Amino acid sequence: QKEVEQNSGPLSVPEGAIASLNCTYSDRGSQSFFWYRQYSGKSPELIMSIYSNGDKEDGRFTAQLNKASQYVSLLIRDSQPSDSATYLCAVNPGGGADGLTFGKGTHLIIQP
Amino acid sequence: DADVTQTPRNRITKTGKRIMLECSQTKGHDRMYWYRQDPGLGLRLIYYSFDVKDINKGEISDGYSVSRQAQAKFSLSLESAIPNQTALYFCATSEPQASSYNEQFFGPGTRLTVL
Repeated sequence: QKEVEQNSGPLSVPEGAIASLNCTYSDRGSQSFFWYRQYSGKSPELIMSIYSNGDKEDGRFTAQLNKASQYVSLLIRDSQPSDSATYLCAVNPGGGADGLTFGKGTHLIIQP
Repeated sequence: DADVTQTPRNRITKTGKRIMLECSQTKGHDRMYWYRQDPGLGLRLIYYSFDVKDINKGEISDGYSVSRQAQAKFSLSLESAIPNQTALYFCATSEPQASSYNEQFFGPGTRLTVL
Protein backbone atom coordinates (compact mmCIF):
# COMPACT_ATOMS: atom_id res chain seq x y z
CA GLN A 1 0.00 0.00 0.00
CA LYS A 2 1.31 3.41 -0.97
CA GLU A 3 1.76 5.58 2.09
CA VAL A 4 2.81 9.09 2.94
CA GLU A 5 3.85 9.72 6.53
CA GLN A 6 3.96 13.02 8.38
CA ASN A 7 4.31 13.92 12.03
CA SER A 8 0.88 15.21 13.03
CA GLY A 9 2.27 17.78 15.46
CA PRO A 10 1.41 20.29 16.63
CA LEU A 11 4.75 21.83 15.73
CA SER A 12 5.23 25.10 17.58
CA VAL A 13 7.74 27.63 16.18
CA PRO A 14 8.48 31.19 17.35
CA GLU A 15 7.68 34.01 14.97
CA GLY A 16 10.66 34.81 12.75
CA ALA A 17 12.24 31.36 13.12
CA ILE A 18 12.51 28.60 10.51
CA ALA A 19 9.76 25.98 10.49
CA SER A 20 10.82 22.55 9.21
CA LEU A 21 8.20 20.07 8.06
CA ASN A 22 9.04 16.52 7.03
CA CYS A 23 7.42 13.77 4.99
CA THR A 24 8.37 10.24 3.95
CA TYR A 25 6.75 8.14 1.24
CA SER A 26 6.71 4.44 0.44
CA ASP A 27 6.35 4.27 -3.37
CA ARG A 28 9.79 4.45 -5.00
CA GLY A 29 8.13 5.07 -8.37
CA SER A 30 6.75 8.42 -7.27
CA GLN A 31 7.69 11.21 -9.65
CA SER A 32 6.25 14.42 -8.25
CA PHE A 33 5.74 15.82 -4.78
CA PHE A 34 3.63 18.64 -3.43
CA TRP A 35 3.08 20.69 -0.31
CA TYR A 36 -0.38 22.06 0.38
CA ARG A 37 -1.37 24.50 3.10
CA GLN A 38 -4.81 24.10 4.64
CA TYR A 39 -6.40 26.53 7.07
CA SER A 40 -9.07 25.13 9.36
CA GLY A 41 -12.31 24.53 7.44
CA LYS A 42 -10.79 25.63 4.14
CA SER A 43 -9.54 23.79 1.06
CA PRO A 44 -5.94 22.71 0.45
CA GLU A 45 -3.87 25.38 -1.32
CA LEU A 46 -0.85 24.32 -3.39
CA ILE A 47 2.27 26.15 -2.21
CA MET A 48 5.17 24.09 -3.56
CA SER A 49 5.83 21.41 -6.19
CA ILE A 50 9.12 19.55 -6.59
CA TYR A 51 10.14 16.92 -9.10
CA SER A 52 13.93 16.60 -8.94
CA ASN A 53 16.35 15.82 -6.14
CA GLY A 54 17.63 18.88 -4.35
CA ASP A 55 16.17 22.15 -3.22
CA LYS A 56 13.54 24.40 -4.78
CA GLU A 57 12.98 27.87 -3.38
CA ASP A 58 9.98 30.15 -3.75
CA GLY A 59 9.97 33.21 -1.56
CA ARG A 60 10.09 32.15 2.08
CA PHE A 61 9.44 28.51 1.17
CA THR A 62 12.03 25.88 0.28
CA ALA A 63 11.11 22.33 -0.68
CA GLN A 64 13.76 19.62 -0.45
CA LEU A 65 13.58 16.22 -2.13
CA ASN A 66 15.75 13.14 -1.60
CA LYS A 67 14.40 10.26 -3.68
CA ALA A 68 17.05 7.81 -2.45
CA SER A 69 15.83 8.33 1.12
CA GLN A 70 12.20 8.76 0.01
CA TYR A 71 12.05 12.01 1.93
CA VAL A 72 10.50 15.40 1.23
CA SER A 73 10.69 18.46 3.44
CA LEU A 74 9.39 22.02 3.53
CA LEU A 75 11.23 24.88 5.17
CA ILE A 76 9.45 28.12 5.97
CA ARG A 77 11.82 31.00 6.71
CA ASP A 78 10.89 34.05 8.77
CA SER A 79 7.74 32.30 10.01
CA GLN A 80 4.69 34.51 10.44
CA PRO A 81 1.54 33.94 12.51
CA SER A 82 -0.34 33.70 9.19
CA ASP A 83 1.70 30.56 8.43
CA SER A 84 -0.16 28.77 11.21
CA ALA A 85 -2.06 26.02 9.39
CA THR A 86 -1.97 22.32 8.58
CA TYR A 87 0.57 21.40 5.93
CA LEU A 88 -0.21 18.41 3.74
CA CYS A 89 2.45 16.45 1.91
CA ALA A 90 1.17 14.83 -1.30
CA VAL A 91 2.80 12.40 -3.68
CA ASN A 92 1.95 11.46 -7.25
CA PRO A 93 2.62 7.72 -7.19
CA GLY A 94 3.94 6.18 -10.38
CA GLY A 95 4.13 9.50 -12.17
CA GLY A 96 0.75 9.15 -13.82
CA ALA A 97 -2.38 11.27 -13.65
CA ASP A 98 -4.21 9.31 -11.01
CA GLY A 99 -5.13 10.83 -7.71
CA LEU A 100 -2.53 12.07 -5.28
CA THR A 101 -1.68 10.22 -2.09
CA PHE A 102 -1.79 12.56 0.89
CA GLY A 103 -0.22 12.45 4.29
CA LYS A 104 -2.44 13.26 7.25
CA GLY A 105 -0.79 16.65 7.67
CA THR A 106 1.33 18.50 10.21
CA HIS A 107 -0.34 21.17 12.31
CA LEU A 108 2.00 24.17 12.50
CA ILE A 109 1.60 26.90 15.10
CA ILE A 110 3.65 30.10 14.84
CA GLN A 111 3.89 31.75 18.23
CA PRO A 112 3.95 35.60 18.17
CA ASP B 1 -14.44 34.48 -9.74
CA ALA B 2 -13.38 31.14 -8.31
CA ASP B 3 -11.76 28.72 -10.76
CA VAL B 4 -13.28 25.64 -9.10
CA THR B 5 -16.71 25.89 -7.51
CA GLN B 6 -18.66 23.36 -5.49
CA THR B 7 -22.34 23.28 -4.59
CA PRO B 8 -23.76 23.05 -2.04
CA ARG B 9 -21.18 24.31 0.46
CA ASN B 10 -22.97 22.73 3.38
CA ARG B 11 -25.59 20.00 3.46
CA ILE B 12 -27.35 18.13 6.22
CA THR B 13 -29.32 15.07 5.19
CA LYS B 14 -30.79 11.91 6.64
CA THR B 15 -29.74 8.29 6.33
CA GLY B 16 -31.02 6.69 3.14
CA LYS B 17 -31.43 9.91 1.15
CA ARG B 18 -29.84 10.39 -2.27
CA ILE B 19 -27.45 13.32 -2.41
CA MET B 20 -25.61 14.94 -5.31
CA LEU B 21 -22.59 17.18 -4.91
CA GLU B 22 -21.60 19.27 -7.91
CA CYS B 23 -18.29 20.61 -9.10
CA SER B 24 -17.69 23.11 -11.91
CA GLN B 25 -14.42 24.59 -13.14
CA THR B 26 -13.38 27.38 -15.47
CA LYS B 27 -9.70 26.41 -15.56
CA GLY B 28 -10.09 24.43 -18.79
CA HIS B 29 -8.56 21.36 -17.17
CA ASP B 30 -9.45 17.91 -18.46
CA ARG B 31 -8.78 15.96 -15.29
CA MET B 32 -11.16 16.16 -12.34
CA TYR B 33 -11.10 14.39 -8.98
CA TRP B 34 -13.28 13.84 -5.93
CA TYR B 35 -11.71 13.43 -2.47
CA ARG B 36 -13.14 13.17 1.01
CA GLN B 37 -11.40 14.39 4.14
CA ASP B 38 -12.00 12.97 7.59
CA PRO B 39 -10.32 14.05 10.81
CA GLY B 40 -7.31 11.85 11.45
CA LEU B 41 -7.55 10.11 8.06
CA GLY B 42 -6.45 12.79 5.66
CA LEU B 43 -7.63 13.18 2.08
CA ARG B 44 -8.68 10.04 0.23
CA LEU B 45 -9.54 9.66 -3.44
CA ILE B 46 -13.10 8.61 -4.33
CA TYR B 47 -13.28 8.88 -8.15
CA TYR B 48 -11.46 10.64 -10.95
CA SER B 49 -12.03 11.40 -14.62
CA PHE B 50 -9.72 12.30 -17.48
CA ASP B 51 -12.54 13.32 -19.85
CA VAL B 52 -16.28 12.86 -20.31
CA LYS B 53 -15.82 9.27 -21.47
CA ASP B 54 -13.31 8.23 -18.83
CA ILE B 55 -14.26 7.48 -15.21
CA ASN B 56 -12.01 5.70 -12.72
CA LYS B 57 -12.53 4.41 -9.22
CA GLY B 58 -10.31 5.63 -6.45
CA GLU B 59 -9.37 4.18 -3.10
CA ILE B 60 -12.83 4.48 -1.50
CA SER B 61 -15.48 4.38 -4.28
CA ASP B 62 -17.97 2.05 -2.56
CA GLY B 63 -21.25 3.84 -1.84
CA TYR B 64 -20.53 6.60 -4.35
CA SER B 65 -21.10 7.20 -8.05
CA VAL B 66 -20.05 10.00 -10.39
CA SER B 67 -21.11 11.66 -13.61
CA ARG B 68 -18.95 13.75 -15.94
CA GLN B 69 -21.57 15.81 -17.72
CA ALA B 70 -19.09 18.02 -19.58
CA GLN B 71 -15.42 18.89 -19.49
CA ALA B 72 -16.18 21.48 -16.85
CA LYS B 73 -18.64 19.55 -14.66
CA PHE B 74 -18.12 16.51 -12.44
CA SER B 75 -20.81 15.39 -9.99
CA LEU B 76 -20.59 13.01 -7.05
CA SER B 77 -23.65 11.10 -5.86
CA LEU B 78 -24.38 9.22 -2.69
CA GLU B 79 -27.16 6.84 -3.69
CA SER B 80 -28.24 6.08 -0.13
CA ALA B 81 -26.39 8.20 2.38
CA ILE B 82 -25.14 6.69 5.64
CA PRO B 83 -23.70 8.43 8.72
CA ASN B 84 -20.10 7.35 8.08
CA GLN B 85 -20.21 9.36 4.85
CA THR B 86 -20.24 12.49 6.98
CA ALA B 87 -17.10 14.30 5.83
CA LEU B 88 -15.65 17.25 3.97
CA TYR B 89 -15.73 16.63 0.21
CA PHE B 90 -13.36 18.30 -2.20
CA CYS B 91 -13.27 18.48 -5.97
CA ALA B 92 -9.89 19.04 -7.65
CA THR B 93 -8.65 19.59 -11.20
CA SER B 94 -5.35 19.21 -13.03
CA GLU B 95 -4.16 19.84 -16.57
CA PRO B 96 -2.71 17.22 -18.94
CA GLN B 97 0.67 18.83 -19.47
CA ALA B 98 3.83 16.91 -18.72
CA SER B 99 5.40 19.90 -17.05
CA SER B 100 2.69 20.09 -14.40
CA TYR B 101 3.22 16.51 -13.18
CA ASN B 102 -0.34 16.37 -11.93
CA GLU B 103 -0.49 19.53 -9.83
CA GLN B 104 -4.03 19.57 -8.48
CA PHE B 105 -6.14 22.59 -7.57
CA PHE B 106 -8.96 22.27 -5.09
CA GLY B 107 -12.45 23.69 -4.86
CA PRO B 108 -13.77 25.22 -1.62
CA GLY B 109 -15.32 21.97 -0.40
CA THR B 110 -18.72 20.71 0.67
CA ARG B 111 -19.36 19.86 4.30
CA LEU B 112 -21.81 16.96 4.35
CA THR B 113 -23.52 15.70 7.49
CA VAL B 114 -25.61 12.51 7.38
CA LEU B 115 -27.87 12.06 10.40
